[in-house]
Amino acid sequence: DVVMTQSPLSLPVTLGQPASISCRSSQSLVHSDGNTYLSWFQQRPGQSPRRLIYEVFNRDSGVPDRFSGGGSGTDFTLRISRVEAEDVGVYYCMQGTHWPLFTFGQGTKLEIK
Amino acid sequence: EVQLVESGGDLVQPGGSLRLSCAGSGFIFSNAWMNWVRQAPGKGLEWVGRIKSIADGGTTDSAEPVKGRFTFSRDDSKDTVYLQMDSLKVEDTGVYYCTSDQSGMGDYWGQGTLVTVSS
Repeated sequence: DVVMTQSPLSLPVTLGQPASISCRSSQSLVHSDGNTYLSWFQQRPGQSPRRLIYEVFNRDSGVPDRFSGGGSGTDFTLRISRVEAEDVGVYYCMQGTHWPLFTFGQGTKLEIK
Repeated sequence: EVQLVESGGDLVQPGGSLRLSCAGSGFIFSNAWMNWVRQAPGKGLEWVGRIKSIADGGTTDSAEPVKGRFTFSRDDSKDTVYLQMDSLKVEDTGVYYCTSDQSGMGDYWGQGTLVTVSS
């Protein structure tokens, strides 16, 4: 089974500063159809998850442009250009290329310093 | 506005059964592939299973930990998907979310419903 590994697991950030979360997969996430099915989700405290990014770099509707996704193959990154208070929560990467159909990373908890 | 509303969560004894429902609105439900994702208390997200649209065969896929115990179904006349959970185990405890797959898995999520398996 493909394993998704995030780092760091805890991310203290000063307001207004950038933040970056890494996600590595144990296998390449390039699908046979040519697409790379890597998504990022945000889960604020007490809320349901919300998708931010799909297929590596595509931002979902309503997601602030301070969020960006990048990477390829087995290495991916979620970047926040300037962290705001509302960004506090846990961030998960998820692959949709290999069986089991969808596998999440362990989660990265972002907090304000 | 897209909405997904789960219901049916409860306290159940090990070995028992429970049926969860997820009602959708604000989109063409019959076209959507639907997934269930769960979250154990204080833990991360775990995909549970999926049901495709009837037009795409209505087939289901499930994660290994629930295979043979959980069943996925849908009633498009009610814009609702169901998760039938049998032979429940303590480790099935958690919040169960339904999520749609219209522009990729997880584009919309419900608020979740809590399942507690305990004696």
